[in-house]
Amino acid sequence: KNQVEQSPQSLIILEGKNCTLQCNYTVSPFSNLRWYKQDTGRGPVSLTIMTFSENTKSNGRYTATLDADTKQSSLHITASQLSDSASYICVVISNNAGNMLTFGGGTRLMVKP
Amino acid sequence: DSGVTQTPKHLITATGQRVTLRCSPRSGDLSVYWYQQSLDQGLQFLIQYYNGEERAKGNILERFSAQQFPDLHSELNLSSLELGDSALYFCASSVEYEELFFGEGSRLTVL
Repeated sequence: KNQVEQSPQSLIILEGKNCTLQCNYTVSPFSNLRWYKQDTGRGPVSLTIMTFSENTKSNGRYTATLDADTKQSSLHITASQLSDSASYICVVISNNAGNMLTFGGGTRLMVKP
Repeated sequence: DSGVTQTPKHLITATGQRVTLRCSPRSGDLSVYWYQQSLDQGLQFLIQYYNGEERAKGNILERFSAQQFPDLHSELNLSSLELGDSALYFCASSVEYEELFFGEGSRLTVL
C-alpha cells in the first residue's frame, strides 16, 4: 500500500531559526514528489517538485532534498518568518493507474516571535 | 490566486440535508480532484475526473457523488448529511498529473 509519512507532526520554532521537515514514502513506482504549503483554512500551494534525478532544489528560503534510494525527502526552511507558520504537506506521485497521488498527513509549523 | 474557483465559500446546513459544492478549474485544466479535510486532519482524496470521465476514486462515501460537466466544471453532491461531514472540501485542477492547483475550499458545517 502506498504511504507517505511526515515528521514531526507539529513543530514550534522561534522566528529567524531554521528547521527541517521529513517525509518518508513507500510509493511505487515513483514519479515525483512535491511539497505544498497550506495556510490555515486556505488551499495548499505548491512549493517545489522533485523528480527522480534531482537531489536538491531551492525556492527562496525553502530547500527540498530527495534520496530516492532511501525514499526520503526533507524540506529545510532557513531564517524562518512568522508567515512560514502553516502546514507543510508532502505529496508523492506514482505512475500507476488510478489514484496516483499519495498525501502525507502534514507537519504543522508554528513560528513564534 | 490559483485560478480554481469554488462556491460557496461557507455553507451551514442541518443533518439529513443535501448540498452541492461547485468547482471551476483553471482554464485548460482537464483534471479535477475533490478532497475532504476535517478539522486538524490531512487531506483525504475523494474522487478525480478527467475530461468528464471518472478517473480515480478514493474514500468517497456512497452518500457523496460527483460529476464533471462538458464545460469542465465539477460538482460534488453530499446527501443525508451527518455531523461528521463537517469539513473543508477542496477542489484542485491540473493538466493530467502535473502540479495541482487548489481552490480556497468550501467550508461545510452540519448542525
